[in-house]
Amino acid sequence: QITLKESGPTLVNPTETLTLTCSFSGFSLSDSGVGVAWIRQSPGKTREWLSWIYWNDADRHTPLLKNRLTITKDTSKNQVTLTLTNMGPADTATYQCARSRQSLPWAFDVWGPGTVVTVSS
Amino acid sequence: QSVLTQPASVSGSPGQSITISCTGRDTDIGAYNYVSWYQSRPGKTPKLLIYAGTRRPSGVPDRFSGSKSGNTDSLTISGLQTDDEADYYCASFSSSGPVLVFGGGTKVTVL
Repeated sequence: QITLKESGPTLVNPTETLTLTCSFSGFSLSDSGVGVAWIRQSPGKTREWLSWIYWNDADRHTPLLKNRLTITKDTSKNQVTLTLTNMGPADTATYQCARSRQSLPWAFDVWGPGTVVTVSS
Repeated sequence: QSVLTQPASVSGSPGQSITISCTGRDTDIGAYNYVSWYQSRPGKTPKLLIYAGTRRPSGVPDRFSGSKSGNTDSLTISGLQTDDEADYYCASFSSSGPVLVFGGGTKVTVL
């Protein structure tokens, strides 16, 4: 069974850095063609793709967050970590990670349940 | 404001067919066949229904189908069931800005 689960702080102060971890099982990020992405949805807003990391260490980020994002993977621990710097109220959202495969181009076949992050002092 | 535009709600009676549209731009839906559709129910993780515009992952019933016309992709649910009551949203590859953009979601109600 393939599962993903997000973890991290539920409350972050403005200007701080958010670090979220996606822990997964049932697949490996060293498998050819596999990727893990982060998507978020702020209250009342559309889902927003943030970052993507692939089996071959390539990564990509949304240009809308202007160099605030970093994504890394630890293949031995089956984890992907997302960091988002300089958090502000607009970053309050539910953050989800999801798996992609080369055989399902630009789609996600398994998602985590999401973790809610609130930015407030 | 969503990059991809979906109707806020669609409803139908059991057994009927409904269609949910997803309208984009020349830089996403209009230029590529990389639209995916997801079903989202409270307390459950999103389920992939359609990828690459018209393809179904294994295990997805053929009651769910995708189609495209110009800058609009559509998801059709045939033989509507009470279990189909959920939120449905689309996503597409984009060559402008973020590589993946989403629709705002459509709430499907089974009357």
